Amino acid sequence: GAGVSQSPSNKVTEKGKDVELRCDPISGHTALYWYRQSLGQGLEFLIYFQGNSAPDKSGLPSDRFSAERTGGSVSTLTIQRTQQEDSAVYLCASSRNRGWRGYTFGSGTRLTVV
Amino acid sequence: GQQLNQSPQSMFIQEGEDVSMNCTSSSIFNTWLWYKQDPGEGPVLLIALYKAGELTSNGRLTAQFGITRKDSFLNISASIPSDVGIYFCAGQKVFWVKAAGNKLTFGGGTRVLVKP
Repeated sequence: GAGVSQSPSNKVTEKGKDVELRCDPISGHTALYWYRQSLGQGLEFLIYFQGNSAPDKSGLPSDRFSAERTGGSVSTLTIQRTQQEDSAVYLCASSRNRGWRGYTFGSGTRLTVV
Repeated sequence: GQQLNQSPQSMFIQEGEDVSMNCTSSSIFNTWLWYKQDPGEGPVLLIALYKAGELTSNGRLTAQFGITRKDSFLNISASIPSDVGIYFCAGQKVFWVKAAGNKLTFGGGTRVLVKP
């Protein structure tokens, strides 16, 4: 597509439930990133996919967080047993190659855990 | 955790004024980037800097990559109402040999508001 598409744009969930957030990167972009932005804060790196290589999961805050990327395109970020501190905007970005000229962000999914 | 210190945290602008913000780091980055984020949107890349000492302009925006590679500043000249938003600096360590992810480390943001 023309831009990075994320869905849903907003998600309210009850504490303890699992959620799935979807990212559809720009066609042809081999690199895909997930970031988290807490209220009034900068962006925190979560995970990175590059082609068929093993993902860099070094930013995932706990084992409740996982992500996969199917067919080198769409990615899903899953948060199990959500906690209130998981409330944030989850941003996905994609880039050509390894993103050394920065990358293009989607509009994010605002997750609220109640 | 976050390594980039961005200042000021917020500022008020009056139309026509020049504004400046900066970012410092405890470690070296090979690339510095400046993004702007509007409410409900993802950050949009404004300027990218790849070389220590580099000064780059994009319209009314000017940014510099510090000589030590540990800092950068962004200037906005003759501000207009649509300059309101949150500006983020980001540093990137580019590894040419191995795909280390080239993940971005972000500053905390500078919120630009209009003077009442």
